[in-house]
Amino acid sequence: GAVVSQHPSWVICKSGTSVKIECRSLDFQATTMFWYRQFPKQSLMLMATSNEGSKATYEQGVEKDKFLINHASLTLSTLTVTSAHPEDSSFYICSARVAGGPGELFFGEGSRLTVL
Amino acid sequence: DQQVKQNSPSLSVQEGRISILNCDYTNSMFDYFLWYKKYPAEGPTFLISISSIKDKNEDGRFTVFLNKSAKHLSLHIVPSQPGDSAVYFCAASFNGNTGKLIFGQGTTLQVKP
Repeated sequence: GAVVSQHPSWVICKSGTSVKIECRSLDFQATTMFWYRQFPKQSLMLMATSNEGSKATYEQGVEKDKFLINHASLTLSTLTVTSAHPEDSSFYICSARVAGGPGELFFGEGSRLTVL
Repeated sequence: DQQVKQNSPSLSVQEGRISILNCDYTNSMFDYFLWYKKYPAEGPTFLISISSIKDKNEDGRFTVFLNKSAKHLSLHIVPSQPGDSAVYFCAASFNGNTGKLIFGQGTTLQVKP
């Protein structure tokens, strides 16, 4: 199947700093990517839909100024957690679908963020 | 408000037996349901899906059943294999397979040899 890769897989940062997480579709083009967040023992929660060449669409309750999403190419979307706080510590995971296809979503490996 | 619920956090079955993972939902507007499997340190991988116009979909060892009146779906794995040990998530979406998924909390399946 198609491959979606995230980087970094884990990151530890100090409170107040910003962290960027990359999501790449390695062998296909994705006009749309999705960013999810998972807190311990909870389900994956959709944060935003990343659209290539346009602004991301955020879910209710997700601060767009805190979680900056850029989808500059058909193979790369980035999520930047700005001014991170300990409560932002979570597992962030992206998914992508082949452009123009109706098929399944492919998920990245996830990125574990720990804010000290 | 948890719209998709997996009330069993874990399940243990013997190799060769049937594994039944359950999922309940509250929103009757969901029209597409999916099951994903997740190993530690990996992203979820798609297993099987079902549209709300069907009540059963089968793919090899995996079968998903949908009971719309009860707002309940289940994933049957038969025969279960040790390699099936993972966390299983059910997910639902509106307006078909849009990619915007609402996930359950997951159920950890352990298949014992």
